[in-house]
Amino acid sequence: GENVEQHPSTLSVQEGDSAVIKCTYSDSASNYFPWYKQELGKGPQLIIDIRSNVGEKKDQRIAVTLNKTAKHFSLHITETQPEDSAVYFCAAPSGYALNFGKGTSLLVTP
Amino acid sequence: NAGVTQTPKFRVLKTGQSMTLLCAQDMNHEYMYWYRQDPGMGLRLIHYSVGEGTTAKGEVPDGYNVSRLKKQNFLLGLESAAPSQTSVYFCASSYSWGYGQFFGPGTRLTVL
Repeated sequence: GENVEQHPSTLSVQEGDSAVIKCTYSDSASNYFPWYKQELGKGPQLIIDIRSNVGEKKDQRIAVTLNKTAKHFSLHITETQPEDSAVYFCAAPSGYALNFGKGTSLLVTP
Repeated sequence: NAGVTQTPKFRVLKTGQSMTLLCAQDMNHEYMYWYRQDPGMGLRLIHYSVGEGTTAKGEVPDGYNVSRLKKQNFLLGLESAAPSQTSVYFCASSYSWGYGQFFGPGTRLTVL
């Protein structure tokens, strides 16, 4: 099955700075890569996703980039705000389901 | 739309007891999933369903059973709870393969 590695496990940035989280996957046939945000005590929430026919997708302050050759994709958050503090998960297809990375705990300090 | 709902929100069981977790979705999604989340382990797939009347095993299915008698509901059962099943359980649904999954708020289960 698909193996998803996510780095870093923790990330601390100052408000206004950018944050980047990177994931690598093993199955070159994978073609759909979502990112989830999980706030304390809540379920994961889909925030952005990308398909393999594009290299980048943006939605306001967040963007995802995909490098199919290197088999990695990254989440970029610009102008970070304290409410961006959460755990972020990447995922890649595995059979009929998704395999998730182990998560990145992002802390944005004022 | 309520999206994905889960009941109960919290539960404490004694070793050997049984219980059923209920997941319901009102988005007419075909696919439904059960995950468990443990510290440092991320989200691990227990069982999933690709349509009404179908179920399949995920990464960590032992000790759990599931049923999908109605399209909108996906039940997770623990026949004889063990302390190793202490976890937060999330249900999710999606339109199809290759589409985003929508998660419920979770059930926090403690087995003593």
